[in-house]
Amino acid sequence: AAGVIQSPRHLIKEKRETATLKCYPIPRHDTVYWYQQGPGQDPQFLISFYEKMQSDKGSIPDRFSAQQFSDYHSELNMSSLELGDSALYFCASSLQAVQPQHFGDGTRLSIL
Amino acid sequence: QQQVKQSPQSLIVQKGGIPIINCAYENTAFDYFPWYQQFPGKGPALLIAIRPDVSEKKEGRFTISFNKSAKQFSLHIMDSQPGDSATYFCAASKGSGSEKLVFGKGTKLTVNP
Repeated sequence: AAGVIQSPRHLIKEKRETATLKCYPIPRHDTVYWYQQGPGQDPQFLISFYEKMQSDKGSIPDRFSAQQFSDYHSELNMSSLELGDSALYFCASSLQAVQPQHFGDGTRLSIL
Repeated sequence: QQQVKQSPQSLIVQKGGIPIINCAYENTAFDYFPWYQQFPGKGPALLIAIRPDVSEKKEGRFTISFNKSAKQFSLHIMDSQPGDSATYFCAASKGSGSEKLVFGKGTKLTVNP
C-alpha cells in the first residue's frame, strides 16, 4: 500500500538559511499534519491542513509557514534557521474523521 | 504540562515475556487513543487504537486495556520477540482521531533473546 512520502530524507543547513520540506500524503487523504521530534523526544504538533485550509496550529514558530496544495501535497517552509531547529520533521496524513493518522519516515534536518 | 503521561521510560524483558506500558490522561475531551511503534530512523507506525466506549481491544499479539473512569490505558505485548524492540508512544486525540495527536514521552522497549 502507498504510504506518506517525505522529501528530502536528510537536509543539512547553516544558521539563518531557509529550508523547504515536502510531504505527499497517501492517495485520497485530504488532511496533512506536521510534527517536530527532537532527539529522544515525543513528536510535537506544528500545524495541520484539511482540504487546503489550515485546520489547526500548534507550537510552530513564526519563522515557519506551511501550505497544502491542490494535489493535497504540503510544504513546510522554514526561514532564519536556528540550531534548535535541528530535529526530525514528520508529516502524517488521514482521511478526515474516518481513518487514523499515518506517518511518513520524516526529514532529518541538521543545522550547523 | 504533559497532557498524556507515559510510563515506564524504558523496559527490558526476555523473549516471550509480556511487557506492559501505561498511559494516563487528564482531558476528558480525548476520544481516540492510538499506540504507535517507532524504530530508529523511521516514522511512528500505528499499532492499534481504541475509543472510550470499549474496555479492551486485541490485534494479534497487541492488546489495549482502557479504563475510562481512571483515565488510563495500557498496551500489552504478548509473547514478545526481539523484533518488537522499539520505542512505543501512546497518544490521544479529540474528534475521533481527526485532530492533532498529543503524544506521551515514549517507552523504549528492549526484548532480549
